[in-house]
Amino acid sequence: DIQMTQSPSSLSASEGDRVTITCRASQSISTHVNWYQQKRGKAPKVLIYAASGLQSGVPSRFSGSGSGTYFTLSISSLQPEDFATYYCQQSFNSPYTFGQGTKLEIK
Amino acid sequence: QVQLQESGPGVVKPSQTLSLTCTVSGDSIVSDIYYWSWLRQPAGKGLEWIGRVYTSGDTKYASSLKNRVTISVDTARNQFSLKMTSVTAADAAVYFCATFRGSGSPFDNWGQGTAVTVSS
Repeated sequence: DIQMTQSPSSLSASEGDRVTITCRASQSISTHVNWYQQKRGKAPKVLIYAASGLQSGVPSRFSGSGSGTYFTLSISSLQPEDFATYYCQQSFNSPYTFGQGTKLEIK
Repeated sequence: QVQLQESGPGVVKPSQTLSLTCTVSGDSIVSDIYYWSWLRQPAGKGLEWIGRVYTSGDTKYASSLKNRVTISVDTARNQFSLKMTSVTAADAAVYFCATFRGSGSPFDNWGQGTAVTVSS
């Protein structure tokens, strides 16, 4: 199985800050990484697909990059609604595995 | 836009079988666009993919669960289901159904999730 190692596990930041979350795959997965946002008690919502594609309806302050084994999710200017938990996920092959999550909290 | 809704018992006894159903609206379960998946999330923990079924009946499962899990499609009811045998406390989680469009695609439609407790 492909392991996805996400860091940091938690992050404190202020409104307006730029933050970056990283995800490393245990083997090369081309650009087959997706990023999700999950708020408490809700289902995850896809933000970024295929490493850098912005899902329809997602604000442009979210961006993704990377290929091979190293991927990043960046949020350019944090808004109050962005404080949530973020997950990376590989869709290269099954089983489709997730990172352990990054909880983004208000400083 | 596909909409998904999970249903099933909120409590299952240890060693028994967990059965959940996902009702699909907004598209047909026999659509060749989607793969129909189940995922779960234990309280306070991350997401785990359980498996998926395609309209043809073809299935794939997570390695750690494949001996206990069956996912199937009910075309008459426009539903797909999850059966998990011999449950233990480790199977307590929120269970989500979701769609994706094949390898390389994200899980783009999700149900709201249903919480399952394992208790005698």
